Amino acid sequence: DAGITQSPRHKVTETGTPVTLRCHQTENHRYMYWYRQDPGHGLRLIHYSYGVKDTDKGEVSDGYSVSRSKTEDFLLTLESATSSQTSVYFCAISALAGDNEQFFGPGTRLTVL
Amino acid sequence: GENVEQHPSTLSVQEGDSAVIKCTYSDSASNYFPWYKQELGKRPQLIIDIRSNVGEKKDQRIAVTLNKTAKHFSLHITETQPEDSAVYFCAASSYGQNFVFGPGTRLSVLP
Repeated sequence: DAGITQSPRHKVTETGTPVTLRCHQTENHRYMYWYRQDPGHGLRLIHYSYGVKDTDKGEVSDGYSVSRSKTEDFLLTLESATSSQTSVYFCAISALAGDNEQFFGPGTRLTVL
Repeated sequence: GENVEQHPSTLSVQEGDSAVIKCTYSDSASNYFPWYKQELGKRPQLIIDIRSNVGEKKDQRIAVTLNKTAKHFSLHITETQPEDSAVYFCAASSYGQNFVFGPGTRLSVLP
């Protein structure tokens, strides 16, 4: 597997609390992505980054924010978690833009009670 | 925006038979079409991809075909084996923007 990790791997939190998920890569890839995976929906893009401090919204960005202050780290924040954000979150990286292989992290299972 | 549909949602085949999964997309600007395999509890991994300037691509037992006019592309797996059992996702992207996945197909290869 490419050098990509996610933390935490599992988290249970309560509605209304802030949550931050971290994606860390050692590949020095320029592009990083956050997806959520829900049954029947496949993988849906939340936000992506095309460089340090350069980010853009994806298909399902409402309720999420991201930051990328270093090449290796891409943070996903749920400012006030809701039960609808219970999901498995995957980070992905790629050396080039989307028309190149994306390597996925191991995923974070988030449960919002 | 882009919309990707995928059929069937579940597919069962006998070991040794072929499996075909079909996807359609809506955005004619899409130019990159990867297929990912996800085993239970694991991360998705790329198995094959195709770009819009190519009609077909093969890699051992798997192949992908693309029909740009009809806006659909298909994954073909021949001589299926039990280890092919997984969820398969197609996706479409336009120059790195608007990367959209299909809902997935659960393939079961029966011994």
